[in-house]
Amino acid sequence: SQQGEEDPQALSIQEGENATMNCSYKTSINNLQWYRQNSGRGLVHLILIRSNEREKHSGRLRVTLDTSKKSSSLLITASRAADTASYFCATDEDSSYKLIFGSGTRLLVRP
Amino acid sequence: DTAVSQTPKYLVTQMGNDKSIKCEQNLGHDTMYWYKQDSKKFLKIMFSYNNKELIINETVPNRFSPKSPDKAHLNLHINSLELGDSAVYFCASSQGNSISGGKDTQYFGPGTRLTVL
Repeated sequence: SQQGEEDPQALSIQEGENATMNCSYKTSINNLQWYRQNSGRGLVHLILIRSNEREKHSGRLRVTLDTSKKSSSLLITASRAADTASYFCATDEDSSYKLIFGSGTRLLVRP
Repeated sequence: DTAVSQTPKYLVTQMGNDKSIKCEQNLGHDTMYWYKQDSKKFLKIMFSYNNKELIINETVPNRFSPKSPDKAHLNLHINSLELGDSAVYFCASSQGNSISGGKDTQYFGPGTRLTVL
């Protein structure tokens, strides 16, 4: 069954604005990851946040994790046209090797 | 110096044919995966191997058979292709081992777009 659900499904913003995407999941996790997929390409890992962490930064990316609400958010600050892509959250299941990917948020950054 | 490579990038074939997709990683990782991404971009795990041993085998038709000749290679063979097999297939790898599992960062190949006519 699908673990991560992204919200919104699609987001269109102007270059320079901030973009916020949310992910909700159902069961307990060890970590949560965010990936980016440019059109026609494979997924690229952005950031991993562990269940005992609340916030993590990487460049213009900020990820938060609220395990009590089983949710995470990805904030991209000062967006650029090159940030246009689909963004996926992925969560693990305790007893297996699996990462479960959500359906993604399609982000369009207009120049 | 590509990390995870897949061949071919595009595959167009007729229903009923048998085809293979190859994957190689030069990252020294222990675990490799096959995912299927449908037209709605939903990414679903199919198989995973750790050091040539099958560790994940999702509910996939047995027309799909993975083969791992060594830990750097994971190939996917599909028999009797059907229209519903049309999708993008991604190979990935991670450093996960039998203790930590494959929940670490995964590195994806560029994908193979399979079209079944």
